[in-house]
Amino acid sequence: DGGITQSPKYLFRKEGQNVTLSCEQNLNHDAMYWYRQDPGQGLRLIYYSQIVNDFQKGDIAEGYSVSREKKESFPLTVTSAQKNPTAFYLCASSPAGVTDTQYFGPGTRLTVL
Amino acid sequence: QKEVEQNSGPLSVPEGAIASLNCTYSDRGSQSFFWYRQYSGKSPELIMFIYSNGDKEDGRFTAQLNKASQYVSLLIRDSQPSDSATYLCAVSRRYNQGGKLIFGQGTELSVKP
Repeated sequence: DGGITQSPKYLFRKEGQNVTLSCEQNLNHDAMYWYRQDPGQGLRLIYYSQIVNDFQKGDIAEGYSVSREKKESFPLTVTSAQKNPTAFYLCASSPAGVTDTQYFGPGTRLTVL
Repeated sequence: QKEVEQNSGPLSVPEGAIASLNCTYSDRGSQSFFWYRQYSGKSPELIMFIYSNGDKEDGRFTAQLNKASQYVSLLIRDSQPSDSATYLCAVSRRYNQGGKLIFGQGTELSVKP
């Protein structure tokens, strides 16, 4: 089955800890994205990558970091510098270009204790 | 002014009625428009995309685009309780302005049996 997987589904973290969220896709899509969603809010773009070994900051990149070493993988690290990390994190991918249709993974719900 | 605006609702319609969801956008150069459905606690799933002025139909769903007035709408005919969800409108920025999708905050739809 082709698709986007994210793990873990739920994640709990203590303040001051870094945590890495996994995103993998087997759709052979070029572009991948990370979004954050807060209750009652739309999606806000954190980082995106159009090709391997290249990525750009989105609208709310502070306190986050990413890597794109393989086409199918785009992990997101939430660092201790992120002031309000509790949120629903969504990974997406699209076939080519940043304005192509984006398909979403199931999401990771991060809670900072 | 937000780049993409939606009425947050909730919009309540009786089963079998037509639900009309609206979205306005500020960038006149936007070229791609998307509607996603998001059930509570789940990730967004693509319903439709539209690029050209006019109507695009897919089953019970019709997307309408009016670039002159800068709005895009989604009509759901014969609404079912299973259509109850939050509907997200997404608009692409022009590529030379860092083209990527901008999401509205979503409209909550409730279909009453």
